[in-house]
Amino acid sequence: DAGVIQSPRHEVTEMGQEVTLRCKPISGHDYLFWYRQTMMRGLELLIYFNNNVPIDDSGMPEDRFSAKMPNASFSTLKIQPSEPRDSAVYFCASSLSGRFVGAFFGQGTRLTVV
Amino acid sequence: GQQVMQIPQYQHVQEGEDFTTYCNSSTTLSNIQWYKQRPGGHPVFLIQLVKSGEVKKQKRLTFQFGEAKKNSSLHITATQTTDVGTYFCAGPTDSSYKLIFGSGTRLLVRP
Repeated sequence: DAGVIQSPRHEVTEMGQEVTLRCKPISGHDYLFWYRQTMMRGLELLIYFNNNVPIDDSGMPEDRFSAKMPNASFSTLKIQPSEPRDSAVYFCASSLSGRFVGAFFGQGTRLTVV
Repeated sequence: GQQVMQIPQYQHVQEGEDFTTYCNSSTTLSNIQWYKQRPGGHPVFLIQLVKSGEVKKQKRLTFQFGEAKKNSSLHITATQTTDVGTYFCAGPTDSSYKLIFGSGTRLLVRP
């Protein structure tokens, strides 16, 4: 398995633009997590899904953020409109319930909003 | 809400010295997981502890889960330059899979 795949790896956009981050979890994993990492706030859980259903989105900072998981192999995190304070590394991770193997992270998307 | 704190925030050691990071949760954890993130990389799962008072070892790394399941520690014996990175603890407070990460401890090792 190729692991969790995120795209793009880097994204530079102008304030006000829409940004879409993509994630392909490990095949067979039933949990998917979106995290945001900054120096100031560390690793923040934004939202997580179980079997494609959003379970907890209490970490989503504002209505400008939305996440979807239309099927078991794909998820998106969208920011519209983007702001400079959204600049961070966004990680997607997946895990398999019932197994003590932890969460597998993608390589992240480094987002810069100018 | 649940908070998971780690101390110290940074640790700079001489190669060969030992290192310990401590993790404390504001609420009881159902399990505790440890991750390592190399500079510029992504978090990588190291281990999971489930039972109260559990101790697990991975070569030079020793992980412990507190009796009250609210704290944990990671101890590295005789650090090497390859141990450089940030160590995170993470855990859910209940039977859910809501994985909350601690603030992390950044380890620097002088060769």
